[in-house]
Amino acid sequence: AQRVTQPEKLLSVFKGAPVELKCNYSYSGSPELFWYVQYSRQRLQLLLRHISRESIKGFTADLNKGETSFHLKKPFAQEEDSAMYYCALKTSGSRLTFGEGTQLTVNP
Amino acid sequence: KAGVTQTPRYLIKTRGQQVTLSCSPISGHRSVSWYQQTPGQGLQFLFEYFSETQRNKGNFPGRFSGRQFSNSRSEMNVSTLELGDSALYLCASSEGQGRMSGNTIYFGEGSWLTVV
Repeated sequence: AQRVTQPEKLLSVFKGAPVELKCNYSYSGSPELFWYVQYSRQRLQLLLRHISRESIKGFTADLNKGETSFHLKKPFAQEEDSAMYYCALKTSGSRLTFGEGTQLTVNP
Repeated sequence: KAGVTQTPRYLIKTRGQQVTLSCSPISGHRSVSWYQQTPGQGLQFLFEYFSETQRNKGNFPGRFSGRQFSNSRSEMNVSTLELGDSALYLCASSEGQGRMSGNTIYFGEGSWLTVV
């Protein structure tokens, strides 16, 4: 069965500091992974997907199949990055399995 | 393009009642999925419909059901409501076909259900 684990429920950093949100997955097939972000009182939005290998809002994520990880990184955190971040694994069809989420707080 | 639209946004129901939630996907999208979001369980997949057929189903009891219409709009129904059904119910849509890995999944703002 597929599973996504985000070990940190809460993460607090200072503005300008690097940030890394961890995500590990378990899946027997070829993984397709995403990061979604939910700002306060807003809908869930796609931040990144591994197949596009792009950088959005300064965030990057690399799929490491050997370590079954898809960690989200940003070299210099900004206050507006404060939000809930979810790692998600797409399996059959358009079904997403989400991690528990990490609440990121960037302090001034 | 308009985003994924869900109605109603907020509702309060009594235990034992039933509820129907509605979702209008992005124009052209044929896949609609439903998720339940709670503080304790996080985001859990309920089911996915594609071209009026249920394509995937999560691990929820039979009280949770859904359907999709020919215009891709979808409804989900919860019968015999329990207190534990209080949650944010999210609808998501995508093209759902072709280059599956290229399909972006978009979410609505959700319907907040409170069962009292």
